[in-house]
Amino acid sequence: GESVGLHLPTLSVQEGDNSIINCAYSNSASDYFIWYKQESGKGPQFIIDIRSNMDKRQGQRVTVLLNKTVKHLSLQIAATQPGDSAVYFCAENIGRNAGNMLTFGGGTRLMVKP
Amino acid sequence: DVKVTQSSRYLVKRTGEKVFLECVQDMDHENMFWYRQDPGLGLRLIYFSYDVKMKEKGDIPEGYSVSREKKERFSLILESASTNQTSMYLCASSPPDSYNSPLHFGNGTRLTVT
Repeated sequence: GESVGLHLPTLSVQEGDNSIINCAYSNSASDYFIWYKQESGKGPQFIIDIRSNMDKRQGQRVTVLLNKTVKHLSLQIAATQPGDSAVYFCAENIGRNAGNMLTFGGGTRLMVKP
Repeated sequence: DVKVTQSSRYLVKRTGEKVFLECVQDMDHENMFWYRQDPGLGLRLIYFSYDVKMKEKGDIPEGYSVSREKKERFSLILESASTNQTSMYLCASSPPDSYNSPLHFGNGTRLTVT
């Protein structure tokens, strides 16, 4: 079936560098995408979202890019800090039955080296 | 801030036991969800509810049932626990009448079935 996936299971970056976490999705009907951050021992926390009528959205130190042509989503973190170390999940909403039914990718672990 | 509280952080149960996982949210959200999280598989939707006494199957409902007697509480039930149900279980809620909005997660219950 159609699913959300990730290219890299683990990403290691130097503190202060920029991080890019990628996500491929296969359902062209998806109209809403979210990035979550999950720290050890905690539930996923919302970072940023984007609707399919946009191709870029910026938050504080984070930017999400959406390329609908190739069905690709990315999360960019500027000036990565040790506190950014976590597992990052992308999720899509394909609007099944009821709102807010999200399909999640497998996750990417971001490790920040001091 | 929205708070989603899962009653247990860790549970150890024996095969065949009936298991209840409890979740409470304090923001009057109509939508509530149960996911399980396994390494490399991301989060998979078990059941969701969009109103009291209403429930819908997610992607992997087999072996599970749910109960939503009150708006703030959503329970996941394992009628006869099996070892393949050892996992991290995450409860989430989302605001009413919101098609595209992020889910708010609890911190999870790690269930081990021996």
